[in-house]
Amino acid sequence: DQQVKQNSPSLSVQEGRISILNCDYTNSMFDYFLWYKKYPAEGPTFLISISSIKDKNEDGRFTVFLNKSAKHLSLHIVPSQPGDSAVYFCAASAAKGGSQGNLIFGKGTKLSVKP
Amino acid sequence: DAGITQSPRHKVTETGTPVTLRCHQTENHRYMYWYRQDPGHGLRLIHYSYGVKDTDKGEVSDGYSVSRSKTEDFLLTLESATSSQTSVYFCAISTQGYNSPLHFGNGTRLTVT
Repeated sequence: DQQVKQNSPSLSVQEGRISILNCDYTNSMFDYFLWYKKYPAEGPTFLISISSIKDKNEDGRFTVFLNKSAKHLSLHIVPSQPGDSAVYFCAASAAKGGSQGNLIFGKGTKLSVKP
Repeated sequence: DAGITQSPRHKVTETGTPVTLRCHQTENHRYMYWYRQDPGHGLRLIHYSYGVKDTDKGEVSDGYSVSRSKTEDFLLTLESATSSQTSVYFCAISTQGYNSPLHFGNGTRLTVT
């Protein structure tokens, strides 16, 4: 029973264009959402997060949008660069509900940015 | 750099042998976690700790135990390794335990033959 779903295993984008990575969740108790980037043979690196009291958070080229009614969040990368090629994980947590605030991860989306 | 060191980085072991993976942090964070990453599964929580000698089970804890006798070290033990435990294991730390990002180490690739 997946609580965090990334339905696109892969995405290919041209350099300079926008990359949009999507994530859906089922647990309405989730109140904190994050995106991680992972290169091969390295640990995941935190990119950006958003609290459920907001619907948008921006950090440089990265923007995360949260649609609570649709239980959907997305990560926009503008402009995309070849160095952005990596696997991106969506994660969520719930401060209440017995999970101790632990992060639940999606299965990841592999982004390829072509020069 | 979150000051996390995982050791060993790679290990090959035989089915039925005990294995211990070590996570060491230099920043005295209270919260530490062990995740495993497998193709098609993303990252799944094995065990976590919210202080010295305070640990709890995660989503996939069967076959694993942990210990935390010092703030800086969090050990993951496979008492009797099985082929299904072949995976990449990541340790992570958190400053707050909730509503804060985890920072991960570079992982240990474990192969059980």
